[in-house]
Amino acid sequence: DAGVTQSPTHLIKTRGQQVTLRCSPKSGHDTVSWYQQALGQGPQFIFQYYEEEERQRGNFPDRFSGHQFPNYSSELNVNALLLGDSALYLCASSLPESSLGSVSYEQYFGPGTRLTVT
Amino acid sequence: DAKTTQPPSMDCAEGRAANLPCNHSTISGNEYVYWYRQIHSQGPQYIIHGLKNNETNEMASLIITEDRKSSTLILPHATLRDTAVYYCIVRGIAAGNKLTFGGGTRVLVKP
Repeated sequence: DAGVTQSPTHLIKTRGQQVTLRCSPKSGHDTVSWYQQALGQGPQFIFQYYEEEERQRGNFPDRFSGHQFPNYSSELNVNALLLGDSALYLCASSLPESSLGSVSYEQYFGPGTRLTVT
Repeated sequence: DAKTTQPPSMDCAEGRAANLPCNHSTISGNEYVYWYRQIHSQGPQYIIHGLKNNETNEMASLIITEDRKSSTLILPHATLRDTAVYYCIVRGIAAGNKLTFGGGTRVLVKP
């Protein structure tokens, strides 16, 4: 059973450039969430996608956008990169809470993409 | 979601039980307590969660106090591979899929 996969594993970009990160959810999952983890900090929630729509969003600027495809995979796009965007970007998948009628379920995280902005 | 407080770090001897405390004094009735851990350079890994009853799985046990204002994660026989940052998270339905991570507890298992 394939877990959550992310690509690429590492990426180096220059300030002002744009980047796209990719995520494939765990088999059977259809909800994808993205997190940003700066060095030495806990992960911060960026947004969640379900049924190809953004359902929840954290406190991140519009430079951060996403997309979910019919096969449930997802992309995270970041425009006009800043040095402060350097971080580990994590993808997590889960079943939608509506299908379970509760919040009692776990999320599975991928290994992350390490983005360095120079 | 309720805020959680954890000690920043703790050491544990290999083979011994590791008891990780977490305070969540503002937790509300429908909020669950979740524990995740993050081994260096990997994504967070789900460990266990509970509402008010004690829970046990193959990885750990979760003890929640009767007033639900605190909990303890117990790793029964710590190994070197359990060295990681452990996060205690409180999440309710209003949070949806959002997990709010704090600073966590950095656990070092020593031989």
